[in-house]
Amino acid sequence: QVQLVQSEIEVKKPGASVKVSCKASGYILNNYAMTWVRQAPGQGLEWMGWISAYNGHTNYAQNFQGRVTVTTDTSTSTAYMELRSLRSDDTAVYYCARESPYDYGRVTLWGQGTPVIVSS
Amino acid sequence: DIVMTQTPLSSPVTLGQPTSISCRSSQSLVHRDGKTYLSWLHQRPGQPPRLLIYKISSRSSGVPDRFSGSGSGTDFTLKISRVEAEDVGVYYCMQATEFPQTFGQGTKLEIK
Repeated sequence: QVQLVQSEIEVKKPGASVKVSCKASGYILNNYAMTWVRQAPGQGLEWMGWISAYNGHTNYAQNFQGRVTVTTDTSTSTAYMELRSLRSDDTAVYYCARESPYDYGRVTLWGQGTPVIVSS
Repeated sequence: DIVMTQTPLSSPVTLGQPTSISCRSSQSLVHRDGKTYLSWLHQRPGQPPRLLIYKISSRSSGVPDRFSGSGSGTDFTLKISRVEAEDVGVYYCMQATEFPQTFGQGTKLEIK
C-alpha cells in the first residue's frame, strides 16, 4: 500500500529541537520529492521546505532559514524534518507530502500529520 | 515571495448549486519551462489536505469531474459544478512555480 506514515505527537519545551519522521511505503522514496507543510491551530497551510528527488537538493522558506533541515534516509525509506530553537508559535501539525518530480505542486500523497506542542 | 490571494474567504452554498473560488498571484506563475504550476487542495477538519487540481486544470486521480480549474498568468479559478455535502471544508490554492512554494489563505466552503 502506497502511504506516508508520520511519527507520533511531540511535546517540547521552548528552545528544544524536534525531529519528525515520515516513512514511505509502497514506492521508492527518492523517485519523488518531499515537501513539508505545517498548520498552526485554526490557521492555514504554511510551506516549510522541500527536498529533491534526484540529488538531495533542498529549499526552505525564509521564515525557517537556519532553523529547519529536511533529509531523507533511503536505507529506511524515511524522510525527516528537524526544527530547532522551538518557540511557542511553532505549535502546529506538521505534514510531509510526496511531490511529483516532473509536475511541481502535484502533491498526491500526504502523511497523517504530526502534532508538535511547544510549551514550558 | 509570491503572494497568493483567494476570494472569497467564506462561501455559503446550496447543495446542488455551482460555486467558484478565485486565486490571484502577485506575479505570473508561468515557469521558465513554459508550464504553470498552480494547484488546488481541499482539507476537511482533522484531515490532511487532498490534491484536487494541478497545473491549473489537471484533475488528480479520483477527483470527481464536478471539480474544474481554469486561468492563466496570475488569475485562477476553481469551479464546483454541483456542490455536494462532502465538499465542505477549506480550499487552498498553491503555487509551485517558484521557491518558496506558497499557499492562499484558504476559502471555507459551507452549506447554507
